[in-house]
Amino acid sequence: AQTVTQSQPEMSVQEAETVTLSCTYDTSENNYYLFWYKQPPSRQMILVIRQEAYKQQNATENRFSVNFQKAAKSFSLKISDSQLGDTAMYFCAFARASGSRLTFGEGTQLTVNP
Amino acid sequence: NAGVTQTPKFRVLKTGQSMTLLCAQDMNHEYMYWYRQDPGMGLRLIHYSVGEGTTAKGEVPDGYNVSRLKKQNFLLGLESAAPSQTSVYFCASKVSLGTDTQYFGPGTRLTVL
Repeated sequence: AQTVTQSQPEMSVQEAETVTLSCTYDTSENNYYLFWYKQPPSRQMILVIRQEAYKQQNATENRFSVNFQKAAKSFSLKISDSQLGDTAMYFCAFARASGSRLTFGEGTQLTVNP
Repeated sequence: NAGVTQTPKFRVLKTGQSMTLLCAQDMNHEYMYWYRQDPGMGLRLIHYSVGEGTTAKGEVPDGYNVSRLKKQNFLLGLESAAPSQTSVYFCASKVSLGTDTQYFGPGTRLTVL
């Protein structure tokens, strides 16, 4: 079974600064996907970024980028130039390439302060 | 194109009552999922479906039943609600096994008194 761990229940950052959220996972699979989802106060789950395990290059989406360390089973999210609208709960998630399920971490509540 | 919708958005039940949550998607997705979200625990998979007429158990299936009679709809039923089922319920869907991204509905907040 796969497990996903987010060790930071809460984090805060000043507007315009950079913050990194941590995620580790445990799996015996070689092919899989990793995701970061954002859940703002509206409750909607929004996909932020995804990474395919067979790709060595780290994924980036505008101000969001990941540091994917496959050997260490680590998948951190870096948010640059933080904005007030980035305030949300962030979930790390794992999916086997051959499977159908997502396994989520416990989440990190990020607050961006003005 | 509405994506994934959930009905209702809020509901309050008394212990022992029954109800059905409806999830609908208009993207012709094969796979559909029901999750529950509790504070400090992330999202946990209740049941899922890999196609019309199929269902399968997830991590926390006890106390829930599901049906997928039509490809676009996935129903989650609580036959005898318990306070432990107070939670936020999310539906999600994705195209098929060969794809990875799930698309989520807006959630249903259920309170069982």
